Amino acid sequence: EAGVAQSPRYKIIEKRQSVAFWCNPISGHATLYWYQQILGQGPKLLIQFQNNGVVDDSQLPKDRFSAERLKGVDSTLKIQPAKLEDSAVYLCASSSTAPFTDTQYFGPGTRLTVL
Amino acid sequence: KNEVEQSPQNLTAQEGEFITINCSYSVGISALHWLQQHPGGGIVSLFMLSSGKKKHGRLIATINIQEKHSSLHITASHPRDSAVYICAVPYSGAGSYQLTFGKGTKLSVIP
Repeated sequence: EAGVAQSPRYKIIEKRQSVAFWCNPISGHATLYWYQQILGQGPKLLIQFQNNGVVDDSQLPKDRFSAERLKGVDSTLKIQPAKLEDSAVYLCASSSTAPFTDTQYFGPGTRLTVL
Repeated sequence: KNEVEQSPQNLTAQEGEFITINCSYSVGISALHWLQQHPGGGIVSLFMLSSGKKKHGRLIATINIQEKHSSLHITASHPRDSAVYICAVPYSGAGSYQLTFGKGTKLSVIP
């Protein structure tokens, strides 16, 4: 079974530039999550999708971050414009059902550096 | 929202030592997750447990629901166990169940 795929693995940009991350979850997984993990901290949920609908985006900085999951499969997370404090690892995860009843499978993450 | 505390934050051990990482949380839960994160960012789910104990190879996870506490043990530690270990608990937010993560325990096993 293929795991969660993410690209790119690394990205370096200057502040005020735009960046996009891509995630392909495990086939058949209805739930998809985007997390932001700042160095030395645990992951923080940015947005949760159930199929192609948003379940929770309460912690997504909507003035600069956006995410979509077209057709309930792949997802993209965009930052426009980026700030220095956006430097972090962005993790995508998927699960077949709710997180407390099923395992979340994580992708390798995208390490973003904003200069 | 559940508060998750892990201890220690950093742990250095000699190869072969028995290791214990602790996790405490503030609100009663139905299950708790232990995750492993290697340098480079990838996260692997180790255990999901709701009671008692689970064992997988040299890893053992225990949970005491009444005391709101879980431990992850590694027996006969090896340098390849060096990683960050994170515990996570579910909470209900915005009508859905999500995970709150601890800050992680960075383990370094020295040969």
